[in-house]
Amino acid sequence: QLQLQESGPGLVKPSETLSLTCTVSGGSISSRSYYWGWIRQPPGKGLEWIGSIYYSGSTYYNPSLKSRVTISVDTSKNQFSLKLSSVTAADTAVYYCASPHYDILTGYKNAFDIWGQGTMVTVSS
Amino acid sequence: EIVLTQSPATLSLSPGERATLSCRASQSVSSYLAWYQQKPGQAPRLLIYDASNRATGIPARFSGSGSGTDFTLTISGLEPEDFAVYYCQQRYNWPPLTFGGGTKVEIK
Repeated sequence: QLQLQESGPGLVKPSETLSLTCTVSGGSISSRSYYWGWIRQPPGKGLEWIGSIYYSGSTYYNPSLKSRVTISVDTSKNQFSLKLSSVTAADTAVYYCASPHYDILTGYKNAFDIWGQGTMVTVSS
Repeated sequence: EIVLTQSPATLSLSPGERATLSCRASQSVSSYLAWYQQKPGQAPRLLIYDASNRATGIPARFSGSGSGTDFTLTISGLEPEDFAVYYCQQRYNWPPLTFGGGTKVEIK
């Protein structure tokens, strides 16, 4: 069964770069030939899509974050990663990685059916 | 960017009652709308995709309907474990993928 696990520092200083990795187990990133995503949720607030990466490496980012976001994939390690630069307190959130949903009849969707447990990242000096 | 507006913000109901949640899009998203359930301290769980298709393992009491700009998630008889926050998400016009602000279903 596919599982995702986020990892990375829980505390990042303002103006620095937040770096997280999502490790996929129970299956390979390449086996789901579609977009894997990063989503975040500030404390007490709703969900915000950060960006997605195709299993082969092409990316799409939220325009509101595009200038600061880089998502990459390493299929040999079965991981994909998020970097968010120049962070501020507004970037404090739980960060989730998630896998694309697959429907046997109609194929892959940009909906997320398996999520990591999430990792809390606090931006503070 | 497509904006999704969910209503009501909070729905207070008793177990066994029917819950009707609304998601309205700022422009048509065809049927490319998903619903998620999120409980405190947990990741979201996919309930419905493409407006009306239940994801694997989702009970039949959850149903989705709608197309274009107006969508509804119905829970036909609330179970204790259904009290949670529900989000809609569109995938029709992206980037960005967008989520609604959420509806909290609480025990009355």
